[in-house]
Amino acid sequence: GEDVEQSLFLSVREGDSSVINCTYTDSSSTYLYWYKQEPGAGLQLLTYIFSNMDMKQDQRLTVLLNKKDKHLSLRIADTQTGDSAIYLCAETGNAGNMLTFGGGTRLMVKP
Amino acid sequence: NAGVTQTPKFQVLKTGQSMTLQCAQDMNHNSMYWYRQDPGMGLRLIYYSASEGTTDKGEVPNGYNVSRLNKREFSLRLESAAPSQTSVYFCASSGRTGGDTQYFGPGTRLTVL
Repeated sequence: GEDVEQSLFLSVREGDSSVINCTYTDSSSTYLYWYKQEPGAGLQLLTYIFSNMDMKQDQRLTVLLNKKDKHLSLRIADTQTGDSAIYLCAETGNAGNMLTFGGGTRLMVKP
Repeated sequence: NAGVTQTPKFQVLKTGQSMTLQCAQDMNHNSMYWYRQDPGMGLRLIYYSASEGTTDKGEVPNGYNVSRLNKREFSLRLESAAPSQTSVYFCASSGRTGGDTQYFGPGTRLTVL
């Protein structure tokens, strides 16, 4: 089946930029998503990108998509302690009926 | 506008017991989903319902049943709980299946002893 991979852990200092990476195998991916999950909570949609786009910016968040390498990244500018959470990458194919999730990257922001 | 709600938030069962997890959405979405989340494995789809009156298996359906009671409600039933079903369960909804953003409930943390 299709696969989505993320590194497990990222630690940054407050005020620095964070870059969370994701790779996927589904060449028919149409939409790619970033969700944020805080401890004991559900998933909050942060942003998404359509596969015909290279970049999407939304305030402090920048999503970059390299479709050739099947690589997606989420950059958080001026990272704050409130950004500490698990970030999950997910993708869905054009006719797909399900999201395929990565295992999540735990972001720790040190003061 | 509550979005997606789930009950209960926590549950402890003994092996062999049964229970039903409830999910409701107030966004008039056609499609609803049940996922389970295990450490380091992301979310895996158990069942989904593309529209009222239809249900389909996802990646890990064994040991579960679902009911799409009406457009708002989608329940997940464990007939005979097993320790392997210890997990966090999330319900989600979207306007349609395939390429439409899914919105998630807060989750149910289930422990099977």
